[in-house]
Amino acid sequence: DAEITQSPRHKITETGRQVTLACHQTWNHNNMFWYRQDLGHGLRLIHYSYGVQDTNKGEVSDGYSVSRSNTEDLPLTLESAASSQTSVYFCASSDLLPGNNEQFFGPGTRLTVL
Amino acid sequence: TQLLEQSPQFLSIQEGENLTVYCNSSSVFSSLQWYRQEPGEGPVLLVTVVTGGEVKKLKRLTFQFGDARKDSSLHITAAQPGDTGLYLCAGARGGSNYKLTFGKGTLLTVNP
Repeated sequence: DAEITQSPRHKITETGRQVTLACHQTWNHNNMFWYRQDLGHGLRLIHYSYGVQDTNKGEVSDGYSVSRSNTEDLPLTLESAASSQTSVYFCASSDLLPGNNEQFFGPGTRLTVL
Repeated sequence: TQLLEQSPQFLSIQEGENLTVYCNSSSVFSSLQWYRQEPGEGPVLLVTVVTGGEVKKLKRLTFQFGDARKDSSLHITAAQPGDTGLYLCAGARGGSNYKLTFGKGTLLTVNP
């Protein structure tokens, strides 16, 4: 069965360190998204990609970067982790079919920055 | 500024009661989706509404899209403990149809 996976599921790191969160999907979807979920803020879009070599900034992109070298993966990098980046991170993917924007979410990565 | 406002933010009810949660905006959306999220998991799509005035039913859940495509509601009849979770609405706008804007969610607890 097709799926979307994230790793690690839990991560503790220190302020200033570089951290990369992995996202892998086997749906063969062109669209991939990264969100962070925080109490009081809901899901906020960090970066998204509509295909290989395509990346776009979302509403809270400062301090984060992504790269899309193949269809299956969209790793999220925190260049220099800050305590404000402590959050639960979700990756999602969706198809390119017109009118079909259902997003399939991974299980999330809980990141703590000390 | 939150584009999609959900209310109430928290709702705790007894098994068997009915409830309605709302998703409101001043903006027009080309489509609106409802997701449900359980603890420790990612959101899962419940329904997509596209046409103004559209009503969709999913067993005991009824979803409605406002005539002007600016708001939506989710009504649950005879709630059960298995309905407990975070309900999120998400809207897609015009040209960026694949990108969604999420509301903050309604956390529903159904007590046995």
